[in-house]
Amino acid sequence: DAGVTQSPTHLIKTRGQHVTLRCSPISGHKSVSWYQQVLGQGPQFIFQYYEKEERGRGNFPDRFSARQFPNYSSELNVNALLLGDSALYLCASSQKGRPSGANVLTFGAGSRLTVL
Amino acid sequence: AQKITQTQPGMFVQEKEAVTLDCTYDTSDPSYGLFWYKQPSSGEMIFLIYQGSYDQQNATEGRYSLNFQKARKSANLVISASQLGDSAMYFCAMSPSTGNQFYFGTGTSLTVIP
Repeated sequence: DAGVTQSPTHLIKTRGQHVTLRCSPISGHKSVSWYQQVLGQGPQFIFQYYEKEERGRGNFPDRFSARQFPNYSSELNVNALLLGDSALYLCASSQKGRPSGANVLTFGAGSRLTVL
Repeated sequence: AQKITQTQPGMFVQEKEAVTLDCTYDTSDPSYGLFWYKQPSSGEMIFLIYQGSYDQQNATEGRYSLNFQKARKSANLVISASQLGDSAMYFCAMSPSTGNQFYFGTGTSLTVIP
């Protein structure tokens, strides 16, 4: 079975540009979460979507936005890129909303964004 | 406020030996879940083990066990019989009952020496 797939795997942008990252969850999973992992740090929560509705938002500026499509795939958009947005962006899917022993998050391999 | 602390930036262990990775947490939620994930250099976070705050027994999954001390707010990961493939970053994470997100620690880099 396919796991969580993310695209692109690597990308380079310049300051001020816009980026769109894509995530396809495991089949049957209705929840998608996005995390930002800066080099040397643990992942930080950005968004969670469940059944196409936003169910959680982390402490990120409005330049960050996301959406979930009817097939439960998701996009993360970042506008007006800053150098500090350089990071590994991880997508995770689960069957339901809140992580638990019965609802473990499965992560993709991430999209590594470099902003020059 | 929710916080996860991992105080060991790097650890070394001899192959076939056991190793303990430390994790302490802080939360005011009475109900929460504790998770450990492994992150190889490829970047993908791999789920290892889960402990619920009301679970009476310490969780075990194969060579992984979680030493859960609720009063001390600690959830240490024990890896027995270390293998070369265990070399990776290890993250402790918490999910409180009041939210839908993980709070991660800063991770511990484990190196298994042949």
